[in-house]
Amino acid sequence: GAVVSQHPSRVICKSGTSVKIECRSLDFQATTMFWYRQFPKKSLMLMATSNEGSKATYEQGVEKDKFLINHASLTLSTLTVTSAHPEDSSFYICSARAASGRGTDTQYFGPGTRLTVL
Amino acid sequence: GDSVTQMEGPVTLSEEAFLTINCTYTATGYPSLFWYVQYPGEGLQLLLKATKADDKGSNKGFEATYRKETTSFHLEKGSVQVSDSAVYFCALIKNRDDKIIFGKGTRLHILP
Repeated sequence: GAVVSQHPSRVICKSGTSVKIECRSLDFQATTMFWYRQFPKKSLMLMATSNEGSKATYEQGVEKDKFLINHASLTLSTLTVTSAHPEDSSFYICSARAASGRGTDTQYFGPGTRLTVL
Repeated sequence: GDSVTQMEGPVTLSEEAFLTINCTYTATGYPSLFWYVQYPGEGLQLLLKATKADDKGSNKGFEATYRKETTSFHLEKGSVQVSDSAVYFCALIKNRDDKIIFGKGTRLHILP
């Protein structure tokens, strides 16, 4: 089946630094990628929708200047957490929707990235 | 707003036991309903789905029926295996856009 990878799987950084997380669709082209944040014992919360070649659409309450999203190609989207603070510590998950087909059954999830900000 | 509520875990069962994980939803319109599974160290995988009332989704021995009258989509399996140990997410998606709304997830432990 379709595979989505994320890198790194875990990252620990100091407060004030920036961290980049990559999301790659390995065997299909993804016109749309989604970035989620998952808190312990909480739902996955959609942060933003990323479309290849255009600006990301952020959900209400998500700071676009803090969470920079770039979707430069049909197989890669990046999330950069700028000037990270301990409250940004979380589990970030991406998903990718295939260029053909619509709906959730063509949306594939990555394994997630655990960010810890000291 | 739209939301999904599922039973809190962890749920611990013995192998071959019957499983039910409850899920109810609140949504306007006619959403599609899904169950996702997340095995340790892996991404979310679509387990099954139902797109309209009274539809039954099934996969790998799991079943769930879209009940509009009770706004529910409970996940069931007749005989669980140790390999079913994972976190299960109930979710919905509105037909007019592609935002998935997830429940909090239910961790399932199956004991041999």
